[in-house]
Amino acid sequence: GQNIDQPTEMTATEGAIVQINCTYQTSGFNGLFWYQQHAGEAPTFLSYNVLDGLEEKGRFSSFLSRSKGYSYLLLKELQMKDSASYLCAVRVAMNYGGATNKLIFGTGTLLAVQP
Amino acid sequence: DARVTQTPRHKVTEMGQEVTMRCQPILGHNTVFWYRQTMMQGLELLAYFRNRAPLDDSGMPKDRFSAEMPDATLATLKIQPSEPRDSAVYFCASALGTTYNEQFFGPGTRLTVL
Repeated sequence: GQNIDQPTEMTATEGAIVQINCTYQTSGFNGLFWYQQHAGEAPTFLSYNVLDGLEEKGRFSSFLSRSKGYSYLLLKELQMKDSASYLCAVRVAMNYGGATNKLIFGTGTLLAVQP
Repeated sequence: DARVTQTPRHKVTEMGQEVTMRCQPILGHNTVFWYRQTMMQGLELLAYFRNRAPLDDSGMPKDRFSAEMPDATLATLKIQPSEPRDSAVYFCASALGTTYNEQFFGPGTRLTVL
């Protein structure tokens, strides 16, 4: 089966650094995504890793270890507007008469940034 | 400004009624997804299409849900008859190609079935 685990909730302080972990057990792994979702809004794309290592994008970085089935999202210089749910999603390869992919989402980590 | 649009944004209906949700993917995107999000289950894939053809609808209750793409600019998700357990936010997302790096989500339809 396909399984993605991430903490349900986290709390951090404005200006600090927070790391949100994600572990997965999936077949047909073809990349890992992080999405941000503010309350009442749609998910928006943050980052994508397909190879091992760290991808940096401004205040956000994402790390992947395929051998360990592990990823984390690192948020630096936290701001109040970073309070949101962070969704880890694994892209798995499917084959329907031609390769295609679908995303399997974790249940999300609700991050609360406090003053 | 290219974006996925969904209608209606909110829908309240009574159990047993038919519900139709519509999605307009970003122009040129040929892969379209329907998701359902609840507090308990998170974001679940219901169905997805490539070039208007359904590829996977294994996440959808077949007896009451149906998804179609009448043309490249319109995807529909229909529930008939609706039940209270169908109350959720339904998102449509689109992507370009099959090896996309990003899915673009619409604003969602918040469905409440009484």
